[in-house]
Amino acid sequence: DARVTQTPRHKVTEMGQEVTMRCQPILGHNTVFWYRQTMMQGLELLAYFRNRAPLDDSGMPKDRFSAEMPDATLATLKIQPSEPRDSAVYFCASGGQVWTRGNTIYFGEGSWLTVV
Amino acid sequence: AQKVTQAQTEISVVEKEDVTLDCVYETRDTTYYLFWYKQPPSGELVFLIRRNSFDEQNEISGRYSWNFQKSTSSFNFTITASQVVDSAVYFCALSETAGNKLTFGGGTRVLVKP
Repeated sequence: DARVTQTPRHKVTEMGQEVTMRCQPILGHNTVFWYRQTMMQGLELLAYFRNRAPLDDSGMPKDRFSAEMPDATLATLKIQPSEPRDSAVYFCASGGQVWTRGNTIYFGEGSWLTVV
Repeated sequence: AQKVTQAQTEISVVEKEDVTLDCVYETRDTTYYLFWYKQPPSGELVFLIRRNSFDEQNEISGRYSWNFQKSTSSFNFTITASQVVDSAVYFCALSETAGNKLTFGGGTRVLVKP
């Protein structure tokens, strides 16, 4: 089965350190999303790309977060410097631009980040 | 702006009972897409169903069924004869354009007791 792959699955880091999360979208999908899940805010969109170009990153704190797609098979989300309030689960998802039956948005297993 | 509301934060049932999860949405678009995802205790988000706004047919998949009512802006989800493995958080979501971002509801936690 094709799936979205995220690394690392779990990360514990100290405040101030840089954190990079990686995502490999499903082959052929041209839209990639980054979501963050917290108890307080639920699932919120941070940024998303189509054909590697950023479409919307308004949900992302610009001073410390950055998202890129170096190529069609890799999306990255970087936090520098990290803070305890960044502790959350970060999900990557991918989808096609046209949704035919069975083609939709699929999520990776998430990167569980703890900043101490 | 689009919005999705799941008024039930938690539902507890005994195995074999039916459970219905409510989802109400707001959008100005005439064409949109509605989703349900399941998040089991392991944490991943599992796609369950996508419904297009122009297709109001209800759908059944095994013990799962979905009732789309455009007139009341609702897309409710029913689990028939619930099982312990159905224990999870269920999210309803809305996208205003094919291939576009999802807006999620707050989720409903379902606890099925043996």
